[in-house]
Amino acid sequence: GEDVEQSLFLSVREGDSSVINCTYTDSSSTYLYWYKQEPGAGLQLLTYIFSNMDMKQDQRLTVLLNKKDKHLSLRIADTQTGDSAIYFCAETSSGGGADGLTFGKGTHLIIQP
Amino acid sequence: KAGVTQTPRYLIKTRGQQVTLSCSPISGHRSVSWYQQTPGQGLQFLFEYFSETQRNKGNFPGRFSGRQFSNSRSEMNVSTLELGDSPLYLCASTRDTGSYEQYFGPGTRLTVT
Repeated sequence: GEDVEQSLFLSVREGDSSVINCTYTDSSSTYLYWYKQEPGAGLQLLTYIFSNMDMKQDQRLTVLLNKKDKHLSLRIADTQTGDSAIYFCAETSSGGGADGLTFGKGTHLIIQP
Repeated sequence: KAGVTQTPRYLIKTRGQQVTLSCSPISGHRSVSWYQQTPGQGLQFLFEYFSETQRNKGNFPGRFSGRQFSNSRSEMNVSTLELGDSPLYLCASTRDTGSYEQYFGPGTRLTVT
């Protein structure tokens, strides 16, 4: 079946950029997402990108998509302590929620002072 | 605009009992999806409802069921709870077909003793 892989942990210094990587196997993936989960909370939608795009920028967040390699990355510029959370990569082949999202296991972002 | 709400937030049940969880989507959203989150399996898609109809179902046994009402609110039921049924249950809402943004609620933490 479809699979989404992420590294489990990433440690960065406050003020540096964080780059969280994700690979997926489903070649029919059309929409790719990044969600953030803080302790005891649900998932917060950070951003998403369509498979026909290479890059999307939204304030401190930059998403890069390499469709050939099925590789997605999330760059957080000027990482702050409030960015400490678990970041999930997800994909689906259809919009409207019909097929559900396939999630990676999440990357724990640890901020060092 | 209010976000996705889930009730109750926390629940303790005994093995063998059944439980019903509720999800109210964002106003105007007609699709509701349910996910189960566990430390071992991560986030897994349970099912999705649109206009009171289940459109898709994940790979879960029949004791997991759901329904959606005419006001788009959804309920999820787990019958015959097992000791492993202590994950976080999350619901997400999407406007309708062709919309790509899924917004999650805070989740219901179920503990089975």
